[in-house]
Amino acid sequence: KAGVTQTPRYLIKTRGQQVTLSCSPISGHRSVSWYQQTPGQGLQFLFEYFSETQRNKGNFPGRFSGRQFSNSRSEMNVSTLELGDSALYLCASSPGPQENYEQYFGPGTRLTVT
Amino acid sequence: AQSVAQPEDQVNVAEGNPLTVKCTYSVSGNPYLFWYVQYPNRGLQFLLKYITGDNLVKGSYGFEAEFNKSQTSFHLKKPSALVSDSALYFCAVRDVETGANNLFFGTGTRLTVIP
Repeated sequence: KAGVTQTPRYLIKTRGQQVTLSCSPISGHRSVSWYQQTPGQGLQFLFEYFSETQRNKGNFPGRFSGRQFSNSRSEMNVSTLELGDSALYLCASSPGPQENYEQYFGPGTRLTVT
Repeated sequence: AQSVAQPEDQVNVAEGNPLTVKCTYSVSGNPYLFWYVQYPNRGLQFLLKYITGDNLVKGSYGFEAEFNKSQTSFHLKKPSALVSDSALYFCAVRDVETGANNLFFGTGTRLTVIP
């Protein structure tokens, strides 16, 4: 099976702009989670989607949003970008939201805000 | 609240020697524990997990982890290190208190295997 894919792999944006990142889960996986990775804060949970519904959201401002489509593909959006949003954004998928499933991660999107 | 701690930022080991990467956890219920590895410019790769059952869990690439409930630890081990094992290793615990699916990650341990 193909792994989790994320597009684009690299992005450079300017403060105040908005950005949309895309994630395609492993075929058959219906749960998608997003994480932000920075040198200072490490890996932090953003949100989780299952069956087009957001099940859980991490401690991030409302500028961070996401959605999931009927084919389980997911997008996340960051509006009014700040310098501190520069990070590696990782998407992970699993068959479902059950706690015994491991999550499989994509290669990430490296976002640089200038 | 759930959390994991990786007390060592950096671990160096000679090729062929056994390696251990330490992880301790704090959970209010049953722990669901995971190890991931990250290579440069890559996402996280799943190595192994502990859900229930045997305390010694075997995973990918010859790695194993020992679950110790009394010490609340889940240390990652490998009998003989390879240079290609050099990477960033993360321990994670699942947030089961709220029924959510997200993982809480440790701060990571950089493993360097010296030829």
